[in-house]
Formats: sequence, structure tokens, C-alpha cells
Amino acid sequence: DVKVTQSSRYLVKRTGEKVFLECVQDMDHENMFWYRQDPGLGLRLIYFSYDVKMKEKGDIPEGYSVSREKKERFSLILESASTNQTSMYLCASISTAGWGYTFGSGTRLTVV
Amino acid sequence: SQKIEQNSEALNIQEGKTATLTCNYTNYSPAYLQWYRQDPGRGPVFLLLIRENEKEKRKERLKVTFDTTLKQSLFHITASQPADSATYLCALDPAGTASKLTFGTGTRLQVTL
Repeated sequence: DVKVTQSSRYLVKRTGEKVFLECVQDMDHENMFWYRQDPGLGLRLIYFSYDVKMKEKGDIPEGYSVSREKKERFSLILESASTNQTSMYLCASISTAGWGYTFGSGTRLTVV
Repeated sequence: SQKIEQNSEALNIQEGKTATLTCNYTNYSPAYLQWYRQDPGRGPVFLLLIRENEKEKRKERLKVTFDTTLKQSLFHITASQPADSATYLCALDPAGTASKLTFGTGTRLQVTL
């Protein structure tokens, strides 16, 4: 069964810490995405990548960066975590042939 | 500005009935529209995709319609079961290249016995 795996289901970090969220897919997909999901706001796109070492900003990139050194891995980095980054973070991938995202199970991040 | 609207109020229906969820959008010309199911604490799961030149798409008990004139998609689940209880999200793909999707906030469906 094809999979997108996020490294942690739950994380608690302190304000100011640098936080790494890891995402790995085993489907050889070209396109990968990071979203955050908040009640009443839905899923909002943070960053996406169409290929190794390529990245593009989504709708809310401030306070985040990403890294894609290998095709299967897409990392989201919170440079200096703040309480307003407490959220559910979802990684997704899709092939260029299309046909719907495959999402990971999500990482619920709490910044205290 | 671009906007996707799904009914934020939960939809409660009885087992065996047909559930109908609505997705309205403004200031978009999406090439594709997609529907996802999301269970609490989990990532969304892809259900169906419909193209702008398709009026209707079916998959088992699911049916999706896409009216680009009304700027609306309807998502139907026939013969609803308690296991269908979840939040359902619509998502628009303006480019039709499976690139960036913009999601609605979702409608929660509760199917009771």
C-alpha cells in the first residue's frame, strides 16, 4: 500500500526552538506539499516542491522553510517556533499524472 | 477574492438516507474539483475527482456533480451508513495539473442509526 509517512504524530516544543517535521513518501511522486490545518480555517498551503531541490512558497510561508534533498523526503522547518504555529501539519504528495493527493497522518504540533 | 464555501454546520442524517453536501466557489475557474474524506486526527483521503467538462462522476455509493455555471459541486452518499460519518472536504485545482489545491473548510457528516 502506498504511503506518506510523517515522522511524529504529536510534538511539544518550546517557543524559540528550531523544529523539523519530516515527511517521506514511497510512491516516487514528483510533487510534495506541506499544509497546516486549523479549526475554521481549513487547510492552508505553506510550501510545495515539484522536484528535488526545488521549492515554492504557498499561501502562508512566513516563519517556515523547507528542504528537499531527495525525491522521497520533504522537510518542513520552523526556524523559531512561536505559539501561533501550534497546529496540525499535513504532508501530501502526488505524481505529475495527477489523480488526488496522498496525505500523511499529520503531526499535531504544540508550541508552549 | 477567491473563496470556497462548504456548510460549516454538521449534517445529521439517518442511516439509509442519501447525504448531500455542497461546495460553492467564487472567483475561480477550476479545471478539476476533488472531494476528500477526513476522520478526526487523521489526514484527508482522496475520494473522487471531476473535470470541468464532466457533469457527473460516480464511484460505488458516491456521486459528484460539477456545475461550472452555478459554480457549485454536490457530493452525494447514497444508502448512508454510520461508517460514513466524517468530515468531507472539497478542493479546487485551477490548473488541472494536480499541482496546488485549495481546500474548503469541510462539512462534518454524522450518520445515525
